[in-house]
Amino acid sequence: NAGVTQTPKFQVLKTGQSMTLQCAQDMNHEYMSWYRQDPGMGLRLIHYSVGAGITDQGEVPNGYNVSRSTTEDFPLRLLSAAPSQTSVYFCASSPPGRQYNEQFFGPGTRLTVL
Amino acid sequence: GENVEQHPSTLSVQEGDSAVIKCTYSDSASNYFPWYKQELGKRPQLIIDIRSNVGEKKDQRIAVTLNKTAKHFSLHITETQPEDSAVYFCAASDSGGYQKVTFGTGTKLQVIP
Repeated sequence: NAGVTQTPKFQVLKTGQSMTLQCAQDMNHEYMSWYRQDPGMGLRLIHYSVGAGITDQGEVPNGYNVSRSTTEDFPLRLLSAAPSQTSVYFCASSPPGRQYNEQFFGPGTRLTVL
Repeated sequence: GENVEQHPSTLSVQEGDSAVIKCTYSDSASNYFPWYKQELGKRPQLIIDIRSNVGEKKDQRIAVTLNKTAKHFSLHITETQPEDSAVYFCAASDSGGYQKVTFGTGTKLQVIP
């Protein structure tokens, strides 16, 4: 199993540009999440999904869109990039059920918005 | 929503000494408390977790304690080694439909050889 994969690893955007961060997992996990990591602020939840066709907002959703058309993929779209979105983005997945709470993280995407 | 506070933000210890990281949470419905380790440039990885029906859990040199009454939990690392140097995150979640996880702000641990 490849686990959770993310592309690209690095990206530089200009203010106002749009792009999609890709995330995929091959563990048949129902739950998937997107976090951003900023210095001194830990991991903050952007959006999450409990299954194909179901998404919801997390703590910091503004400026981001998500969709979940398949169990495997959970892309994150930046509609109009802003310097405040410079961050490291992690996708994570976890199996459902009360006894399975571990989150498996992807390798991250480092995004810089100029 | 849940709020998790983590202290200290940085911690330096001599190799062989113990390290303790403390977290508090606000939502009494939280019942699962994982700890993640993130090495420089890498992804966070689960190192230990504890559920609310347990007061303490140990795995070799690491242990976690939980006080549900006071809403705080701690990570203890004994006999620290240079490879323990990393950022550690505590987190809290409930067992609801999604098990939304709220992370602390992280502790950068430096083990000095």
